[in-house]
Amino acid sequence: AIRITQSPSSLSASTGDRVTITCRASQGISSYLAWYQQKPGKAPKLLIYAASTLQSGVPSRFSGSGSGTDFTLTISCLQSEDFATYYCQQYNTYPGTFGQGTKVEIK
Amino acid sequence: QVQLVQSGAEVKKPGASVKVSCKASGYTLSSHGISWVRQAPGQGLEWMGWIGAYNGNTKYGQKIQGRVTMTTDTSTSTAYMELRSLRSDDTAVYYCARDLTPTKGYDYWGQGTLVTVSS
Repeated sequence: AIRITQSPSSLSASTGDRVTITCRASQGISSYLAWYQQKPGKAPKLLIYAASTLQSGVPSRFSGSGSGTDFTLTISCLQSEDFATYYCQQYNTYPGTFGQGTKVEIK
Repeated sequence: QVQLVQSGAEVKKPGASVKVSCKASGYTLSSHGISWVRQAPGQGLEWMGWIGAYNGNTKYGQKIQGRVTMTTDTSTSTAYMELRSLRSDDTAVYYCARDLTPTKGYDYWGQGTLVTVSS
């Protein structure tokens, strides 16, 4: 199975900050990577798919980049509603492994 | 609008089985696959498996292979996930999600079903 290493596991940031989260796949997955946001007690929400395509309705301050094994999620100007846990997921091959998650907390 | 509505919370004893349902509305269930993902308390997301709702093909995670069965009933637009021989480490919130891979990820999710395994 493809392993996904996500970092950092948590970070503290302030409103307005630029935040970057990375995922590294144990082998090449082309651009078959998605990013999700999850708030406590809620289901995950799709933010980005195909590594860099913004899901409909998601604010443009979210962006994704990368291909092959290294991927990045960037939040350009952190808003209060962005404090949550973020997960990446590869869907190049089964099983569709998730990263361990990054909790974005208020500094 | 697309919705996935899951069945309610369950409490089961070790060794028992649980069957979680996921009713789809706003689209035709047979047009896309359904994936199941679980999340143990305070933990991350774990992919459990996928079912192609149009042909019933399945893929299961290695950790639960042999204990899980995923099915769909297109007449009622409902997907099911049955997990047998429950253990305490199966305690988790179980989610169904509309699977648009390889084009996209999982674009709609159910609200989650808490399954608690306790003696």
